[in-house]
Amino acid sequence: GQQLNQSPQSMFIQEGEDVSMNCTSSSIFNTWLWYKQDPGEGPVLLIALYKAGELTSNGRLTAQFGITRKDSFLNISASIPSDVGIYFCAGQSGGTASKLTFGTGTRLQVTL
Amino acid sequence: GAVVSQHPSWVICKSGTSVKIECRSLDFQATTMFWYRQFPKQSLMLMATSNEGSKATYEQGVEKDKFLINHASLTLSTLTVTSAHPEDSSFYICSARDGLRGTGAYNSPLHFGNGTRLTVT
Repeated sequence: GQQLNQSPQSMFIQEGEDVSMNCTSSSIFNTWLWYKQDPGEGPVLLIALYKAGELTSNGRLTAQFGITRKDSFLNISASIPSDVGIYFCAGQSGGTASKLTFGTGTRLQVTL
Repeated sequence: GAVVSQHPSWVICKSGTSVKIECRSLDFQATTMFWYRQFPKQSLMLMATSNEGSKATYEQGVEKDKFLINHASLTLSTLTVTSAHPEDSSFYICSARDGLRGTGAYNSPLHFGNGTRLTVT
């Protein structure tokens, strides 16, 4: 199936640093979502974006819905050890099917 | 927040047997649930869309006779892996949409269960 291109694939950062990751698609989406997945668990929703250009924050997380509707980014400020995990973007086209297309994932590791 | 419960969390079965995985929406009704499969270090791949009271819609390449889906109520969908083989070993995750949140029923965010680790020996 289709996947969104997510970058970077992985990153090592030090505690306290800011993190930025993005997601691009060749298709337009009506909704962008960002999820975090810990090992052996299902993804947990972090932020949902519904409108092109929308900038939304959730604590130390900030995400934006690209104006072209083909991209989105997620920023994490002042990273902490519990931010470790895999971050997935997901695009949703809307309509009766409303299936999610997932990004390839960004593996984040935070060192002390 | 919305909670999706998946059971069992892990299962080991012998090749040729069948395994049933349950997905429940605990505090909301879900007319549509989705089943994903995730191989190690890979992203989630949609297998099928489970529709309450009607047949599931399968993605291309997913065998509907092998992966039986039943969505008998607004809070329960089941996935049965029939005649399991070692290559079916994977992490299976269900998700459901909470129609009360978001800007509308069709684009409200999906919430995921904690997954089921299936190992076929």
